[in-house]
Amino acid sequence: EDQVTQSPEALRLQEGESSSLNCSYTVSGLRGLFWYRQDPGKGPEFLFTLYSAGEEKEKERLKATLTKKESFLHITAPKPEDSATYLCAVQARDAGNMLTFGGGTRLMVKP
Amino acid sequence: EPEVTQTPSHQVTQMGQEVILRCVPISNHLYFYWYRQILGQKVEFLVSFYNNEISEKSEIFDDQFSVERPDGSNFTLKIRSTKLEDSAMYFCASSSDGVWTFGSGTRLTVV
Repeated sequence: EDQVTQSPEALRLQEGESSSLNCSYTVSGLRGLFWYRQDPGKGPEFLFTLYSAGEEKEKERLKATLTKKESFLHITAPKPEDSATYLCAVQARDAGNMLTFGGGTRLMVKP
Repeated sequence: EPEVTQTPSHQVTQMGQEVILRCVPISNHLYFYWYRQILGQKVEFLVSFYNNEISEKSEIFDDQFSVERPDGSNFTLKIRSTKLEDSAMYFCASSSDGVWTFGSGTRLTVV
């Protein structure tokens, strides 16, 4: 069974204090790993797709990296508007187009 | 930017009643999905739909659930006889080229 575990569950940062969120996964064969941002009462908003170990993607203050067992979302000099829940999801090779989500990391950035 | 549109944003229904949740996926996407998120829990896959038929479904998607694409633009999820435990946010999504785009969701409350 495919599993996705995110840590920490919640993270409080001061504005400008860089940190990383972790996503550990167990799948029979990874087809893609996805990062989403979710604001309260809203749907997941696409950030990145990573396909193979060693791959990195960047967007503004966010950088996602991938190894064979986990992915990291690095947040550099965060701002209060980066406060949200960050979701990790995997698509396994034998699971068609189904995404399996982790529980998310709730990030709060204080000014 | 193209988006997935869901209606209604909130739905309150009595236990045992039928509900239909509506979605307009992105027009050039071919795969459509329903996910749900019970308050405080993970986003869970319900069903995927391709070429006018169900391609995958989870254990959650039992005989009480059905999906339909009644015309060229809408995609619906019907719950025949709602239960208290069906209370959740329901997200519609569509995908193309490895990117899943989610709608803002319908909050379903069963009383």
